[in-house]
Amino acid sequence: DIQMTQSPSTLSASVGDRVTITCRASQSISSSLAWYQQKPGNAPKLLIYKASSLESGVPSRFSGSGSGTEFTLTISSLQPEDFATYYCQQYNRYSWTFGQGTKVEIK
Amino acid sequence: QVQLVQSGSELKKPGASVKVSCKASGYTLTTYPMNWVRQVPGQGLEWMGWINTKAGNPTYAQGFTGRFVFSLDTSVNTAYLQISSLKADDTAVYYCTRGAYYFDFWGQGTLVTVSS
Repeated sequence: DIQMTQSPSTLSASVGDRVTITCRASQSISSSLAWYQQKPGNAPKLLIYKASSLESGVPSRFSGSGSGTEFTLTISSLQPEDFATYYCQQYNRYSWTFGQGTKVEIK
Repeated sequence: QVQLVQSGSELKKPGASVKVSCKASGYTLTTYPMNWVRQVPGQGLEWMGWINTKAGNPTYAQGFTGRFVFSLDTSVNTAYLQISSLKADDTAVYYCTRGAYYFDFWGQGTLVTVSS
């Protein structure tokens, strides 16, 4: 199975900060990567697919980049509603796998 | 609008079975594969596998073979997850989620608690 490693595991930031989360794959997955946001008690929500395509309805402050084995999710200006846990997910080779998550906390 | 509505929380004893339902609305179930994802309380997301909603054949991820069964009832646009011989470490929230590669719609989750 392809392993996905996110860093950092926890990130403390303030409203208005630029935030970057990294996801590394154990082997190349081309651009077959999605990002999700999950708030406590809620199901995950798709933010980005195909590494950099913004899901409909997701604010433009969210962006994704990367290909191969290294990917990033960037929030250009952190808003109060963005404090949550973020997961990457690869879909290049069965079986699909998620990263372990990055919790974005209020500083 | 597309919705996936799951059945309610379950409390089961070790050794029992549980069947979680996931009713799709706003689209026809057979037009997208359905996946199941587990989340142990306080932990991350684990992809359990998927079911081909056109053909009805399931594929299970490593660690989810034997006691886990995915099924469908297309007449009521509903997917199911059945877990048998429940153990304490099956306690988790189980999500159904639509998609062939990435997952654009999710059920609200069903908490299954296994406790004597």
